[in-house]
Amino acid sequence: DAGITQSPRYKITETGRQVTLMCHQTWSHSYMFWYRQDLGHGLRLIYYSAAADITDKGEVPDGYVVSRSKTENFPLTLESATRSQTSVYFCASMGLQSTLYGNEQFFGPGTRLTVL
Amino acid sequence: QQQVKQSPQSLIVQKGGISIINCAYENTAFDYFPWYQQFPGKGPALLIAIRPDVSEKKEGRFTISFNKSAKQFSLHIMDSQPGDSATYFCAAPRTASKLTFGTGTRLQVTL
Repeated sequence: DAGITQSPRYKITETGRQVTLMCHQTWSHSYMFWYRQDLGHGLRLIYYSAAADITDKGEVPDGYVVSRSKTENFPLTLESATRSQTSVYFCASMGLQSTLYGNEQFFGPGTRLTVL
Repeated sequence: QQQVKQSPQSLIVQKGGISIINCAYENTAFDYFPWYQQFPGKGPALLIAIRPDVSEKKEGRFTISFNKSAKQFSLHIMDSQPGDSATYFCAAPRTASKLTFGTGTRLQVTL
């Protein structure tokens, strides 16, 4: 499928377990982002990547790990899930010369994660 | 660190009315201010954006007004329709590639 996809769409896990959320984009966009969405906080940046093998922390990186060995994939791992990581996670991508607006981020459909 | 204050948190407007959402940002050296629209169960999608070399940008029923000196910008939805019911996020540039999003406004347009 063309565009940006996330898997799984829904995930329930237990405290202390490792969880990996997948993100795949077909546009060969340079930039990719992971956000979490929580009521009252909007969208907060967890990690971002400017290119393959280049990643950096966002606003709320603690407890998360990312990697980007290929341009099209940007997995997010919760090494030891905590209840506070219950959230909806969105992946986004952006090209270097994206659109008329120049900086449009394209979002995936999200993963709803519940940590019990 | 860039912060963006968005208000109101929720908004109920009658069909045909005007919806207004406001945002305020801190200093930034960059010049791209977008609004994203999000329907339930979906990811946010770009609705309209402005570069502050202009004070207003209009696309159909949606208008961004920008006040650079006050560091404020707002979204106006004219002739609001039930299909406009969604959550709206403003954003301000933190760097050339990163955005800081507001906390969101849930808009409900009633018949």
